Amino acid sequence: SQQGEEDPQALSIQEGENATMNCSYKTSINNLQWYRQNSGRGLVHLILIRSNEREKHSGRLRVTLDTSKKSSSLLITASRAADTASYFCATDPYNQGGKLIFGQGTELSVKP
Amino acid sequence: DVKVTQSSRYLVKRTGEKVFLECVQDMDHENMFWYRQDPGLGLRLIYFSYDVKMKEKGDIPEGYSVSREKKERFSLILESASTNQTSMYLCASSGGGLAGGMDTQYFGPGTRLTVL
Repeated sequence: SQQGEEDPQALSIQEGENATMNCSYKTSINNLQWYRQNSGRGLVHLILIRSNEREKHSGRLRVTLDTSKKSSSLLITASRAADTASYFCATDPYNQGGKLIFGQGTELSVKP
Repeated sequence: DVKVTQSSRYLVKRTGEKVFLECVQDMDHENMFWYRQDPGLGLRLIYFSYDVKMKEKGDIPEGYSVSREKKERFSLILESASTNQTSMYLCASSGGGLAGGMDTQYFGPGTRLTVL
């Protein structure tokens, strides 16, 4: 089964609103990464948070990690139409031979 | 900027054909990966490689093989293409692992393969 599971599967908001996506996972991890994918394209790395970190910021992105609950969230503030994309979390589990495990993604639609 | 290129954006092949998907990265990365992406199933790892001439099976290696003769190039081979291999194929590369974890992966633009 997938290590990372995003919630919600789809999210539709208006420009200027904040978007929050959640990721849950099952086993202990070294780090957790968030990626973005525009339709029909490859994935682009957004942010990496290590297991000993609780929060990280990058521009309008804020990621939190709660290892006790095995969950992470990605917040995009003041969203823009250009943020429309799919967002994936990927976990790097302990003792998995260095593989990233991707969730199925959240499809974000930001309406102008 | 890291650049990962894939040989084709779109490819149409017939059942039974041998198919080669090529991936090249320009950042001297040790690690390279092949995924396939299907609606509702997310990204699934097919094969990966930590070094030249080394390969490791991912979660769904059946029906695929790989080749890494040079550090910058990682090829995915479909020995005898089947319709259930119609998918988006994504290649990625990353540098040596972080202390305590895997580094960021850099993805190519993807190859959308259709097998008729």
